Amino acid sequence: QSALTQPASVSGSPGQSITISCTGTANDIGTYNLVSWYQQHPGKAPKLIIYEVTQRPSGISNRFSGSRSGNTASLTISGLQAEDEANYYCCSYAGSSVTFGGGTKVTVL
Amino acid sequence: QITLKESGPTLVKPTQTLTLTCTFSGFSLTTNKVGVGWIRQPPGKALECLAFIYWNDDKRYTPSLKSRLTITKDTSKNEVVLTMTNMDPMDTATYYCAHLLIGYKFDIWGQGTMVTVAS
Repeated sequence: QSALTQPASVSGSPGQSITISCTGTANDIGTYNLVSWYQQHPGKAPKLIIYEVTQRPSGISNRFSGSRSGNTASLTISGLQAEDEANYYCCSYAGSSVTFGGGTKVTVL
Repeated sequence: QITLKESGPTLVKPTQTLTLTCTFSGFSLTTNKVGVGWIRQPPGKALECLAFIYWNDDKRYTPSLKSRLTITKDTSKNEVVLTMTNMDPMDTATYYCAHLLIGYKFDIWGQGTMVTVAS
């Protein structure tokens, strides 16, 4: 299984919306509704922010939303805030185990 | 409240075997649909899922490392142990364990433990 493909970096101004893409294959994202997203601040453990493509865990802001089209999943952050500056990783079930994306650094300008 | 904590050596030599222990509280690995996974992150790089084990002893390994990994659980001690053989400097990373729910979501993570492979 290969790593999922994410853009290395995405940036936006406070209040704007940004979208991070995560491209996989028919063997992972394209077949299974089992895509999750994690937020990681420097020096901290990752935090689950989206699961099963569109679901938010309790306590996660509704500014975070997920979607999927074909072999590509996306994470949208609306109303961008300074605290959203972090690395974001997508993850998908791939038939036997799970595979992560390469990560996207979000910068708030 | 669910918590997990990783423990093990901070330094191992090339070719040695690494043994990491995840000690958890707030849940039991005898509960349906619950598991524990191990994920690592080399410095400045991406996350990589290594292995996970479910309540029913179903075990999964990342294909590229399957021959080097063994994951086991001790439900009486609330521990999950990961062993990785033939360690290489490229295995230098922070190793995390995490609580796993059905749907392959790691919802609670440990703080991570840094392992350096060097002679």
